[in-house]
Amino acid sequence: DAKTTQPPSMDCAEGRAANLPCNHSTISGNEYVYWYRQIHSQGPQYIIHGLKNNETNEMASLIITEDRKSSTLILPHATLRDTAVYYCIALKAAGNKLTFGGGTRVLVKP
Amino acid sequence: DSGVTQTPKHLITATGQRVTLRCSPRSGDLSVYWYQQSLDQGLQFLIQYYNGEERAKGNILERFSAQQFPDLHSELNLSSLELGDSALYFCASSVEVAGGGGELFFGEGSRLTVL
Repeated sequence: DAKTTQPPSMDCAEGRAANLPCNHSTISGNEYVYWYRQIHSQGPQYIIHGLKNNETNEMASLIITEDRKSSTLILPHATLRDTAVYYCIALKAAGNKLTFGGGTRVLVKP
Repeated sequence: DSGVTQTPKHLITATGQRVTLRCSPRSGDLSVYWYQQSLDQGLQFLIQYYNGEERAKGNILERFSAQQFPDLHSELNLSSLELGDSALYFCASSVEVAGGGGELFFGEGSRLTVL
């Protein structure tokens, strides 16, 4: 699975959109981009995934560049409960293990 | 609530002892994964089972073993425990979808403290 690179930390104002970048320049054509988050000491939580089209669900939006070398997770209206570590993972297929990197530690401030 | 149940939630034991962590996957999920998260390291993949068979192995120590039973629940056995084994142990399950898209659902973890 391709390596992903994320900033180690970022702050966000409550009520504003949080844009979390992820680079995956070596991603192959059959690798999906998955996003998970882990709120302090809880089990990681699935957020969203995509292959090449932009995706949106009730939690977030995922924007994948046309060349698929990077993506952005957008939390449209960040709340204090969105404070967590966010992981971007490239994964070839369902059934493959997730390999977690360092992620981005997001702090939502009032 | 992810639907994945892990027991016990907390466990304190001494060095040299053996413990068993248990995981019940979501109904219908055939895959079970085990991860370890210690303070100074991120989430480390240990092992994966699919429908009772081992599918993938990560950085799992020889002192650790796991199995998945016919009813699909899984157990992670940790023996000859050392101080460094103190960590959160997460179980996750998934239903595999052809062509991709099967996300993992994680339990709340078992916190092991070795004294």
